[in-house]
This record gives sequence, C-alpha cells and structure tokens, in this order.
Amino acid sequence: EVQLVESGGGLVQPGASLKLSCVASGFTFSDYWMSWVRQTPGKTMEWIGDIKYDGSYTNYAPSLKNRFTISRDNAKSTLYLQMSNVRSEDTATYYCTRDLGYWGQGVMVTVSS
Amino acid sequence: DVVLTQTPSTLSATIGQSVSISCRSSQSLLDSAGNTYLYWYLQRPGQSPQLLIYLVSNLGSGVPNRFSGSGSGTDFTLKISGVEAEDLGVYYCMQATHAPYTFGAGTKLELK
Repeated sequence: EVQLVESGGGLVQPGASLKLSCVASGFTFSDYWMSWVRQTPGKTMEWIGDIKYDGSYTNYAPSLKNRFTISRDNAKSTLYLQMSNVRSEDTATYYCTRDLGYWGQGVMVTVSS
Repeated sequence: DVVLTQTPSTLSATIGQSVSISCRSSQSLLDSAGNTYLYWYLQRPGQSPQLLIYLVSNLGSGVPNRFSGSGSGTDFTLKISGVEAEDLGVYYCMQATHAPYTFGAGTKLELK
C-alpha cells in the first residue's frame, strides 16, 4: 500500500524558514517523480513543484521558485520542501504526491506573528 | 499560466442521479507528443484529494466505473453515472501539460 506521511508543519513567524518532510513507503521511491501541492484555507489548490526520480531535475511554480526548494533522499525514501522567508500567504495545508496520483494526508503550516 | 474554469461551482444531486462537471482550459492541453495531461480529483470532507481520472479518461486505481472522463483540447467533462453518498465532496480538475501546473477552483457536490 502506498503511504505518504508529511511532517514538519506548525506555527511559524513571518520571515522564518521551515522544512517539511514526506516519508514514503509501499513503493520504490527512487522510481517516481514526486511533487508538492498546497491548499489554502480558502481551498484553492496550488502546485508548488516537482522533482525527478533521481533528484537531478526540479521544476517550480515561478511565484515560489526563489523561496522554496524541493529535494529528496532516496536512501531514506523521503521528500523535502525547504521554505524560506515565509509569508502569511504561505499559510496552507501542504501535500506531497507521488506522480500526482497518490497524496499524503497533508501537513498544516500557519504563518503568523 | 493556464486557467481552468470549472462549472458549476456547486452541484446538488439526489442519490442515483447522473451529473456532469465541466472543466475548460484557457489553452489546449494537448502536448507535442500527443498526450493530454488532464486529471480529476475528489476531495471528501476532511480528507486529501483522491485521483479519479488521469490523461482525460483513464480511471484511477480502485475508482468505481460510474466515474468517466472525456474531452479534448480545451474542453473536458467528468461524469458520474449514478451518484452515491460516498461521492459527496469537492471535485477538482488539474492540468499538467503546461508548467506551472494549475487547478480548477473546484465543484462542490452536495445532496439535494
């Protein structure tokens, strides 16, 4: 069974950094592209970016490219999202996905002072 | 960015009724290799999105065959042939042909 479990969310102050993790199981992690998608409190869905199965290529939404970095550790079957200089508009539930087909349960990030 | 316009925004249905949701794209989703990366998802209350349809008309794993997808180019449709109670929630279309990938605003399916 494919499982994706995100962690690392919480309350963070504006301007701070935060790193989310997504631990995968039930499939060969190194065979798949992985993505991050977020959903705002108003339920708007936004694609953040994705990473090739071997980590050699990443693709980002232009509006987030300068502040967000996606990486992976295939030995640990873990996907990461490094968020820097966070803003109130980054408040959302963050999902990792396998190939856009399987989604984790999501992790909430709240940016507030 | 590609804009996906979903209609209606809210859909009221009775159990057993057949319904359709439209997703229109601001540009063609057909890529140079002949693929159309149009997906449909259902998000039930309190849950993460679940893949229903990929590549316009292919059923996701474990998805009941009362769901079907159709369309081409810029116009796409999700049809539910006989709504069941477990189908209630918000439906999203998403395109992954043109980066950045984008989602529709969602269609809420509720019981009449």
